[in-house]
Amino acid sequence: AQTVTQSQPEMSVQEAETVTLSCTYDTSESDYYLFWYKQPPSRQMILVIRQEAYKQQNATENRFSVNFQKAAKSFSLKISDSQLGDAAMYFCAYTYNNNDMRFGAGTRLTVKP
Amino acid sequence: EPEVTQTPSHQVTQMGQEVILRCVPISNHLYFYWYRQILGQKVEFLVSFYNNEISEKSEIFDDQFSVERPDGSNFTLKIRSTKLEDSAMYFCASRGVRGNNQPQHFGDGTRLSIL
Repeated sequence: AQTVTQSQPEMSVQEAETVTLSCTYDTSESDYYLFWYKQPPSRQMILVIRQEAYKQQNATENRFSVNFQKAAKSFSLKISDSQLGDAAMYFCAYTYNNNDMRFGAGTRLTVKP
Repeated sequence: EPEVTQTPSHQVTQMGQEVILRCVPISNHLYFYWYRQILGQKVEFLVSFYNNEISEKSEIFDDQFSVERPDGSNFTLKIRSTKLEDSAMYFCASRGVRGNNQPQHFGDGTRLSIL
C-alpha cells in the first residue's frame, strides 16, 4: 500500500528565513507523481508544486522548491524568503495514476514576523 | 483562471437525511474526484470518475455514497442516509486529460455538519 508520512506536525520559521518541510512515501511503483498542497485557514487546497518521478531535476516554483530523492523515497519542500502569507497547513501527496491521491497528515507552518 | 466551484459552502443536515453536495469542475476537465477531510485529520480519497463511470473508489465510499454527472457541468456526491461521522469537509477536484501528470485542481470545499 502506498503511504505518505509527514513527520513534522508543526514547524515555525521567521519571516524572510528558509524552512524545509519533510515528506517520505512508500511505493513499489517506479513512475508516479508527487505534490505539495497548501491549506490556509480558509481550508482551500492550493497546489504549490509538483514533481514527476521520472524527472531527475527538482521542481521549482518561485520561492518554493523540492528536494526529490527517489531512492530514499523522500520529497521535501523548501520555502525560501518565508512570508506571513505562507502560514498554512502543508500536505504532501502521492499518486501513481492520478486517480487515488494519498495525502500525508500535514505540517502546520507558522511564520513569525 | 478557471476554478472548481462547490456549493453549498456549508451544509447542516439531520442525521439520517440525504444530502447532495454539488461541484462544477473546470470546463475542459474530464476526470473528477471527491475527497473528504474530517476536522484535524488528513485528506482522504473517496472516488474518481471518468467517462460517466467510477474509475476507483476507496473503502470509505460504501453503499451510502453515490456520484453522478447529471448534465455537462455538474458533478454531485450524494450521501443517502447521513451519520454523525460523515461530518467533514468534502472537496471536489478535477483535472485535464493531457497525461497523468496534470495536477488535480481542488474546489474550496463544502463543510458538512450532521446533527
